[in-house]
Amino acid sequence: NAGVTQTPKFRVLKTGQSMTLLCAQDMNHEYMYWYRQDPGMGLRLIHYSVGEGTTAKGEVPDGYNVSRLKKQNFLLGLESAAPSQTSVYFCASSLGPRAEAFFGQGTRLTVV
Amino acid sequence: GEDVEQSLFLSVREGDSSVINCTYTDSSSTYLYWYKQEPGAGLQLLTYIFSNMDMKQDQRLTVLLNKKDKHLSLRIADTQTGDSAIYFCAEIPFSGGYNKLIFGAGTRLAVHP
Repeated sequence: NAGVTQTPKFRVLKTGQSMTLLCAQDMNHEYMYWYRQDPGMGLRLIHYSVGEGTTAKGEVPDGYNVSRLKKQNFLLGLESAAPSQTSVYFCASSLGPRAEAFFGQGTRLTVV
Repeated sequence: GEDVEQSLFLSVREGDSSVINCTYTDSSSTYLYWYKQEPGAGLQLLTYIFSNMDMKQDQRLTVLLNKKDKHLSLRIADTQTGDSAIYFCAEIPFSGGYNKLIFGAGTRLAVHP
């Protein structure tokens, strides 16, 4: 019973490098979210998806892109990493907008 | 706006009650949530309340909602060391088409002997 799985768990990038974070859920959830967590700022929504093939911007979308080609996967891309993107990234999924959101374990990303 | 505000820290003695407060901005939010994050882990849903309720009790947890002041609180009775965690208040605002789950900054609860 995997739930929400994020890969990788840790990553160090150099400024300007690109990478993709993968989120996979096995609960057949429609809604998926990407958040970043920074000290004193809580979780801020980057992008979200309300179903396969759909994506929408959250509170802090700049510098990130997402794709939801398959219902179970939600990818977060950084095209040109910046030190300001150093953070812990969390993926979550839910059956619907008011249903319980299930979170992955997080990805700690450091951009140097 | 979509700001959800919480105080950042709370320290209580083991066995006392803890009260964590939250203010939200969207009066049309129909569901309000409390999530818990333990060290090194993701968030887990603790409890929630519908906007047509004033209070919800679930074992040691009591949620109070004051819609007029847009104020939400979580009371933990008989606080234990295992309750030490970060607690997040969350809402689903109308401004996001009721699709976005928005969190506050989180309150770090420290329980000491």
